[in-house]
Amino acid sequence: NAGVTQTPKFQVLKTGQSMTLQCAQDMNHNSMYWYRQDPGMGLRLIYYSASEGTTDKGEVPNGYNVSRLNKREFSLRLESAAPSQTSVYFCASRKQETNSNQPQHFGDGTRLSIL
Amino acid sequence: GEDVEQSLFLSVREGDSSVINCTYTDSSSTYLYWYKQEPGAGLQLLTYIFSNMDMKQDQRLTVLLNKKDKHLSLRIADTQTGDSAIYFCAESINDSWGKFQFGAGTQVVVTP
Repeated sequence: NAGVTQTPKFQVLKTGQSMTLQCAQDMNHNSMYWYRQDPGMGLRLIYYSASEGTTDKGEVPNGYNVSRLNKREFSLRLESAAPSQTSVYFCASRKQETNSNQPQHFGDGTRLSIL
Repeated sequence: GEDVEQSLFLSVREGDSSVINCTYTDSSSTYLYWYKQEPGAGLQLLTYIFSNMDMKQDQRLTVLLNKKDKHLSLRIADTQTGDSAIYFCAESINDSWGKFQFGAGTQVVVTP
């Protein structure tokens, strides 16, 4: 049982290049999330997908787009990378149940540097 | 700004107890969580507590919740070097899509 798988694990881009970060989960979860982690700032939500076919903006969506390809996969795209997008990106998924204790499950992250 | 606040750093001697504190602001939170992040890895769920509970114990971990003060703490008994990590508290907000609000994380360093 792989859980949440993110690819790639590391990437270096030049300013202006585009890139898609991939995320897949095998737990049949309906909700998926993209976060970025920066020192001293914790995790900030970029986009989320409450269920297959829906996506919505989180706290810091500017410069990013997402696609919920199917129930398993949720990708994050940087159309024109900027140095401010240097960060560690985490994908998470959750079984969505009202008033439940279902936690979010995280991938191991993608470490992205933009020069 | 963040709705969940944590101190950024804690140093503890091996064998002592660690206490990591967290304050949150959303009174509608139903569950509160503690996650652990080891270097180069993602966040792993450690434990959680329902908002109508005061305390939960799970082996070396004790979670205390003061709902009146919106204060959450995680106590790790007999702290080991393997407990060195960043610890995040998170609140789930009772809405339809499971939004979590994370704190900035507390870096715990265990010294021999």
